[in-house]
Amino acid sequence: DTAVSQTPKYLVTQMGNDKSIKCEQNLGHDTMYWYKQDSKKFLKIMFSYNNKELIINETVPNRFSPKSPDKAHLNLHINSLELGDSAVYFCASSQVSNYGYTFGSGTRLTVV
Amino acid sequence: GNSVTQMEGPVTLSEEAFLTINCTYTATGYPSLFWYVQYPGEGLQLLLKATKADDKGSNKGFEATYRKETTSFHLEKGSVQVSDSAVYFCALSDFNTNAGKSTFGDGTTLTVKP
Repeated sequence: DTAVSQTPKYLVTQMGNDKSIKCEQNLGHDTMYWYKQDSKKFLKIMFSYNNKELIINETVPNRFSPKSPDKAHLNLHINSLELGDSAVYFCASSQVSNYGYTFGSGTRLTVV
Repeated sequence: GNSVTQMEGPVTLSEEAFLTINCTYTATGYPSLFWYVQYPGEGLQLLLKATKADDKGSNKGFEATYRKETTSFHLEKGSVQVSDSAVYFCALSDFNTNAGKSTFGDGTTLTVKP
């Protein structure tokens, strides 16, 4: 069983479209995160939820909206996609952050 | 605020060479320190961690020691293999601040040649 699973793995879409990425973890962790990794491999946190409550909301365009229906799921919806949104998006979870994160395998988003 | 600075890459080594990737940090509290590894096309995997000063984390032949006096957590391996080629990230996390958010370094790309 995959601990943190993301779908889809690859997403190619046109500018202006709306798309969603889904994430599920079966580790029983309380906290989930979305990170964006750019082409230079830099990681930037976007959002964090703890037990369905938003606790971190970094400076991210309003076009990005996370949703956590329960503590095992964290989805990311992106409206009006732009070329600059092309990146790899990683979902991660942790129980206590001092123990480290478990990452998903990533969703490579390409906006054309 | 918290920050992590790690050695710029890329780093290219021959198989069986000794590896050191430097990492220093700035933190207001008492963070835990981590090294993550990202193989091509995959997500990050936790490689090792240390939760308090003088702790040594180790895994798969890699080691790092939490040095509070020098605010460092350098990654070392005595003899690298081609399969160690990956991007390595140093990170810190302080449960009591920043809502548990981890701060990552910029990553160091390691290529090991046969």
